[in-house]
Amino acid sequence: AQTVTQSQPEMSVQEAETVTLSCTYDTSESNYYLFWYKQPPSRQMILVIRQEAYKQQNATENRFSVNFQKAAKSFSLKISDSQLGDTAMYFCAFMKHPTQGGSEKLVFGKGTKLTVNP
Amino acid sequence: GAVVSQHPSWVICKSGTSVKIECRSLDFQATTMFWYRQFPKQSLMLMATSNEGSKATYEQGVEKDKFLINHASLTLSTLTVTSAHPEDSSFYICSAAPGLATGELFFGEGSRLTVL
Repeated sequence: AQTVTQSQPEMSVQEAETVTLSCTYDTSESNYYLFWYKQPPSRQMILVIRQEAYKQQNATENRFSVNFQKAAKSFSLKISDSQLGDTAMYFCAFMKHPTQGGSEKLVFGKGTKLTVNP
Repeated sequence: GAVVSQHPSWVICKSGTSVKIECRSLDFQATTMFWYRQFPKQSLMLMATSNEGSKATYEQGVEKDKFLINHASLTLSTLTVTSAHPEDSSFYICSAAPGLATGELFFGEGSRLTVL
């Protein structure tokens, strides 16, 4: 079974600064996806970034980037130029690679509550 | 991005009644839908996986007879909480997959259930 661990229950950062959220996972799968989701107070789950395990290049999406260390099973999220709207719960999630035409479940970490201070 | 709609977004019911929550994929066909439950300040807990036209697969510890899941079409899955009790009060979230084996999943807005 896969597990996802987020060791930082809460973090805070000043507006415009950079913050890194940690995530480690455990799996025996060789091919999988890793995700960071954001859940603002509205509770809507929003995909921040997705990484395919077979791709060595770290995924980036504007101010969001990841540091994917496959051997160490680590998948941290870096938020640059933090904005007030980044305040939310952030969940790291794992999905083993789906078979053709199917989908697999997401396994979530416990989340990190990020507060961006003005 | 693709849109998944949940309805109702919030519902209050009396203890002992049943409540149905709908999850619709509006602009794609969802071969698989997932139902999650989220308690305050906690992570999402997978309840069950439903594939169109077949019985749902429930996670260990989830009561099949309490949480009825139906995935009758490629765009609609329903979760019925039967004989609801206050401890069933929670936030329920669905997600839908287009089945392209790309890892893409789209989430509904969630439904808050309060059982009095």
